[in-house]
Amino acid sequence: EDKVVQSPLSLVVHEGDTVTLNCSYEVTNFRSLLWYKQEKKAPTFLFMLTSSGIEKKSGRLSSILDKKELFSILNITATQTGDSAIYLCAVRVSGNTPLVFGKGTRLSVIA
Amino acid sequence: SQTIHQWPATLVQPVGSPLSLECTVEGTSNPNLYWYRQAAGRGLQLLFYSVGIGQISSEVPQNLSASRPQDRQFILSSKKLLLSDSGFYLCAWSGLVDRGRPMSYNEQFFGPGTRLTVL
Repeated sequence: EDKVVQSPLSLVVHEGDTVTLNCSYEVTNFRSLLWYKQEKKAPTFLFMLTSSGIEKKSGRLSSILDKKELFSILNITATQTGDSAIYLCAVRVSGNTPLVFGKGTRLSVIA
Repeated sequence: SQTIHQWPATLVQPVGSPLSLECTVEGTSNPNLYWYRQAAGRGLQLLFYSVGIGQISSEVPQNLSASRPQDRQFILSSKKLLLSDSGFYLCAWSGLVDRGRPMSYNEQFFGPGTRLTVL
């Protein structure tokens, strides 16, 4: 059975801290890994990673994939209260099948 | 551009009442469509997905059902709601997108969600 595991489940940091969120996976026929941010409503897309070792970056957020060790990390530097959200990791496997989601990491950034 | 609509935004229903949530997608054709439920701010539980009109795959046995009467319309229903059906319901689609790169079904886009409370 395809599985995506995120850690930690929740995290509380102070503004300005740097955080690293983890996502490991065990799936057959890996195609891509996606990160989403969910605040109060629908998850919004952050990154899609398909190649190992290539960092994707958007402002203070960055992510990298290790296909050999089957994991990805999402880094957020200089955190702000607006970064508080649930961060979801999902994996696309081959074929016309749905994404496999992890349970998410709830990040709380306090002033 | 593609947009996804979902309604209603919030719903309070008594136990035993029926349910109908609707989702429509604009700006694409032959999308894959999905219904998820999220409880207590946690991860997403896939309920149903559809790769075409009339084609529904059920992931979790329960008192919910889904239908896809048109290419870009996906409906989640129940004949009798249970307390445990409370949660945040999200519709999503994946399909052909063009952002100056090769089109793919990789990404999945979510609707605004329906918060259902069963009392």
